[in-house]
Amino acid sequence: QLQLQESGPGLVKPSGTLSLSCTVSGGSFSNSKNHWGWIRQPPGKGLEWIGSIFYSGSTFYNPSLRSRVTISVDSSKNHFSLNLSSVTAADTAVYYCARHEFGDYVSDLNWFDPWGQGTLVTVSS
Amino acid sequence: DIVMTQSPDSLALSLGERATMNCKSSQSVLYDVNNKNYLAWYQQKPGQPPKVVIYWASTRESGVPDRFSGSGSGTDFTLTISSLQAEDVAVYYCQQYYSTPLSFGGGTKVEIK
Repeated sequence: QLQLQESGPGLVKPSGTLSLSCTVSGGSFSNSKNHWGWIRQPPGKGLEWIGSIFYSGSTFYNPSLRSRVTISVDSSKNHFSLNLSSVTAADTAVYYCARHEFGDYVSDLNWFDPWGQGTLVTVSS
Repeated sequence: DIVMTQSPDSLALSLGERATMNCKSSQSVLYDVNNKNYLAWYQQKPGQPPKVVIYWASTRESGVPDRFSGSGSGTDFTLTISSLQAEDVAVYYCQQYYSTPLSFGGGTKVEIK
């Protein structure tokens, strides 16, 4: 059964860069149908899609964050990563990684399943 | 960009009652090539990640009780819990995956009265 686990610092200073990694286990990371995503949830608020990456490395970002986001994949280590630069207190959130479920077309970014447990990142000096 | 709007913000019902919540998209999420609505529903319990309960607007995820059902097409969708159980207390989110940026509704919180 595919499992995802986020890791990274829980505290980042304002203007710094938030860096998280998502390690995938229990399945075939290298399946060419695998597309991976990052979603965040500020405390007590709703969900916001940050961006996604195809197995091939093609990326898709939320325009609201595009100028600050980089998502990459490292197939040799079965993980993918998120970098978010120039962070402010507004970036404080639980960050989730997830896989896009397979659908009718390999190019589709479908619903998310499964999700990691999430990791809280606080932006504060 | 597609904006997802959920209503109501919260629901408080007695055990065994029917729970109905709505999700409206600002544009159609029905793809005419495969006639599928690119709409999912998630359940999020406190301290847990969201879990998909419905995808393609009406397909129940494996293992999800059959009291959960999804309906609707185009821009208007409904998630129904036919007989509310204590374990259904959660926030429910809809999400469109028709186009990027992917987007979620604001959520409907379901509680027991």
